[in-house]
Amino acid sequence: GAGVSQSPSNKVTEKGKDVELRCDPISGHTALYWYRQRLGQGLEFLIYFQGNSAPDKSGLPSDRFSAERTGESVSTLTIQRTQQEDSAVYLCASSSPARANEQYFGPGTRLTVT
Amino acid sequence: QKEVEQNSGPLSVPEGAIASLNCTYSDRGSQSFFWYRQYSGKSPELIMSIYSNGDKEDGRFTAQLNKASQYVSLLIRDSQPSDSATYLCAVYASGNTGKLIFGQGTTLQVKP
Repeated sequence: GAGVSQSPSNKVTEKGKDVELRCDPISGHTALYWYRQRLGQGLEFLIYFQGNSAPDKSGLPSDRFSAERTGESVSTLTIQRTQQEDSAVYLCASSSPARANEQYFGPGTRLTVT
Repeated sequence: QKEVEQNSGPLSVPEGAIASLNCTYSDRGSQSFFWYRQYSGKSPELIMSIYSNGDKEDGRFTAQLNKASQYVSLLIRDSQPSDSATYLCAVYASGNTGKLIFGQGTTLQVKP
C-alpha cells in the first residue's frame, strides 16, 4: 500500500515568509507525528496527533510553529516568519492503532530559508 | 532530559563481517525500542523493533535489549556494502507521549 506522503519535497523561501508543509499519513493510521532533522543531526520531535485528542505540542520550538490535522487524515505544519535556523528536513510519520509505537516516515520536506 | 546516546562513528567493517551498533538510553520507564536505517538524503526506515529483554532476530539483523543496563544493540551479520548507512536508535518515551527519542545515529561503512 501507499506510504506516508509529504509535499512539497523541497521548498526554498525567503527569511520572513510563511510556509506550509503537508503530510498524508498511511491509510488507517490514526497517529501522526512531525519531526525536524537539521543537517547532520538526529531527529527532533515537534508535535503528535492521536485521533481526535488534543495534540501534544510540547516539541514545537516557538510560537511561529503550528500544526493542524483534519480528523485522522491530512496534517499541515505551518512556520510563520521563517528564520534561517528553520532550515532543515521536516519529517512526518504515522502509526497504526495495532502497533502504535512503530512509526513509519514519509520522504520529508527539505526547507531552505535564504 | 530523556536521552539516547550512540557512538557517531564511522564504524567501518569489511564485507561479510558482523557489524555491532550500540545505544544507551536514560529513560528507565521506556518499554519500546527501535532501530531505523537512514541512507544519505533519505528518510528513516524502520528495520527492527524490540520490546522484551533478550534477542530478536530478523534475517541478518539481531536486536538485543537489556533494560537493567538501559542498553540496546543491533547486530548485522554478513554485512554488505548496501548496509552502509546511518543507523538511528529510537526509544519510545514513557508516559504515552507518542514521542520517539532518537540518538544522533551511527554511520556504518561496509567496505567491499
